[in-house]
Amino acid sequence: NAGVTQTPKFQVLKTGQSMTLQCAQDMNHEYMSWYRQDPGMGLRLIHYSVGAGITDQGEVPNGYNVSRSTTEDFPLRLLSAAPSQTSVYFCASSYSSRASGGETQYFGPGTRLLVL
Amino acid sequence: AQSVAQPEDQVNVAEGNPLTVKCTYSVSGNPYLFWYVQYPNRGLQFLLKYITGDNLVKGSYGFEAEFNKSQTSFHLKKPSALVSDSALYFCAVRVQALSDTDKLIFGTGTRLQVFP
Repeated sequence: NAGVTQTPKFQVLKTGQSMTLQCAQDMNHEYMSWYRQDPGMGLRLIHYSVGAGITDQGEVPNGYNVSRSTTEDFPLRLLSAAPSQTSVYFCASSYSSRASGGETQYFGPGTRLLVL
Repeated sequence: AQSVAQPEDQVNVAEGNPLTVKCTYSVSGNPYLFWYVQYPNRGLQFLLKYITGDNLVKGSYGFEAEFNKSQTSFHLKKPSALVSDSALYFCAVRVQALSDTDKLIFGTGTRLQVFP
């Protein structure tokens, strides 16, 4: 298994440009999520999905869109990039996210985004 | 508000000495607690978790954590530190989002530096 993969590893954007960060997992996990990591702030949840066709907002959803058309893929879209979106983005997945569980999340290697 | 706190930005310890990385939490209901580690330029890796049962949880790479309900703490420990343990450590707590969905709230991270 490749686990959780993310592309690209690094990207530079100009303010106002759009782009899609790709995330894929091959573990048949129901739950997928996107986090951003900023110095001194830990990881903050952007969006998450509990299955194909189902997504919801996390702590910091503004400026980001997601969709989940398949179990495997969970792309994150920046419609109009802003310097405040300069960050490291991590995708994660777990088998489920049921309230009765304590599922371990598996993280991708991250995408480093710089918005000028 | 449900939260998790890591009061130390950095912990320095000499190789061979015991180490402790602190974490306290505030959640309603029974907490599900996690520790993750992040090595440079990598995604987060799962170390251990507490769901229920024994208060002392053993995890990967010789790490363990002690759940203390009265002090609402979940400190990460290791009896003898290695230089290779130097990394960024995150404590996380599960909170319930929608009616049957969990999400993780992460602390801000503690950088562990082990000196030879």
